[in-house]
Amino acid sequence: DQQVKQNSPSLSVQEGRISILNCDYTNSMFDYFLWYKKYPAEGPTFLISISSIKDKNEDGRFTVFLNKSAKHLSLHIVPSQPGDSAVYFCAASEASGTYKYIFGTGTRLKVLA
Amino acid sequence: DAMVIQNPRYQVTQFGKPVTLSCSQTLNHNVMYWYQQKSSQAPKLLFHYYDKDFNNEADTPDNFQSRRPNTSFCFLDIRSPGLGDAAMYLCATSSTLADTDTQYFGPGTRLTVL
Repeated sequence: DQQVKQNSPSLSVQEGRISILNCDYTNSMFDYFLWYKKYPAEGPTFLISISSIKDKNEDGRFTVFLNKSAKHLSLHIVPSQPGDSAVYFCAASEASGTYKYIFGTGTRLKVLA
Repeated sequence: DAMVIQNPRYQVTQFGKPVTLSCSQTLNHNVMYWYQQKSSQAPKLLFHYYDKDFNNEADTPDNFQSRRPNTSFCFLDIRSPGLGDAAMYLCATSSTLADTDTQYFGPGTRLTVL
């Protein structure tokens, strides 16, 4: 049973517009969330994180929103750039001290020039 | 630059022939992880080391073993690779001493089983 779901396998956005990538989770014990970006032939690169005590975290063009009641988080990229084209994974962790993350299946973002 | 290094980047082995994948890190992180990722699927945690303590996931096949001889190195041993073991294998590290337990990944080793 997939505890972290990214229901959109792919997304295309015009350069300069906003990209919104969504992630849903089922485990209410998850309290820390990460977004990773992955280019072909490279490992995932950490992008941005959010703790369950917050509902928003911003880093430059990247903002993550967390809606705990809906068990939903989203990553906003504004403005989108062609270099943002990659696969984006969300990951979630419980506060269990196991330091383990459950990953979603990823969303492939394509930013069109 | 501090980093997570995986060798080789591409590995081809034959069905049933043991293979070892290696991971090294210069981050001095005390936790190291091995993930398996198949095409269009989420990275799946196989096991992790918290310092020297080995933690196996319940659904990780016995065919997969790991060694961590020191802080910097971690190995993934596949004793008898099957066709279904063809995948990208990702090594990651994190530190329990950091403000966050963000995981940092290596570039991965793509394993092909003939």
